Amino acid sequence: DIQMTQSPSSLSASVGDRVTITCQASQDINNYLNWYQQKPGKAPKLLIYDASNLETGVPSRFSGSGSGTDFTFTISSLQAEDFATYYCQQYDTLPPGFGQGTKLDIK
Amino acid sequence: EEQLLESGGGLVQPGGSLRLSCAASGFTFSSYAMNWVRQAPGKGLEWVSGISGTIGSTSYADSVKGRFTISRDNSKNTLYLQMNSLRADDTAVYYCAKGSLRLLDSPFDWWGQGTLVTVSS
Repeated sequence: DIQMTQSPSSLSASVGDRVTITCQASQDINNYLNWYQQKPGKAPKLLIYDASNLETGVPSRFSGSGSGTDFTFTISSLQAEDFATYYCQQYDTLPPGFGQGTKLDIK
Repeated sequence: EEQLLESGGGLVQPGGSLRLSCAASGFTFSSYAMNWVRQAPGKGLEWVSGISGTIGSTSYADSVKGRFTISRDNSKNTLYLQMNSLRADDTAVYYCAKGSLRLLDSPFDWWGQGTLVTVSS
């Protein structure tokens, strides 16, 4: 199975900050990389698919980049509603594994 | 609007069985892959199983292979997960998640709210 390593596991930031999360795959996943947001008690929500494509309706302050094995997720200017846990997921090869998550909380 | 509504969760003893259902609406159910993803209390997301649209090819995580069975009834717009030989480490919220394509390997673009399965004596 492909292993997904996300960092950091937790992050404290303030409204207006620029935040970056990284995700590394154990092998080349051909940009088949998604990013999800999950708020407490809620289902995950797809934000970015295929490494850099913004899902319909998702604000443009969210972005993704990378290729091969190394990927980055960025929030350009944190808003209050962005405090949540973020997961990367590869779907190049079954099983479609998730990273361990990054919990983003208020500093 | 797309909607997914899970049901069937509850408390079950180790070794017992449970069947989860996921009722879909707002999209052409048969045209999309469907998945089950679980989240143990305080833990991350774990993909459990998936089934492709139309043909119904299936895939399972090693942790549930041989114990869980995924199926779909396209006439009822419903996804199922039959869970047998349940263990304590199967305790989790189980989410139904829609694939964005017919194929198993596609992003999960819509999720239900989840149903809690607790395995305990």
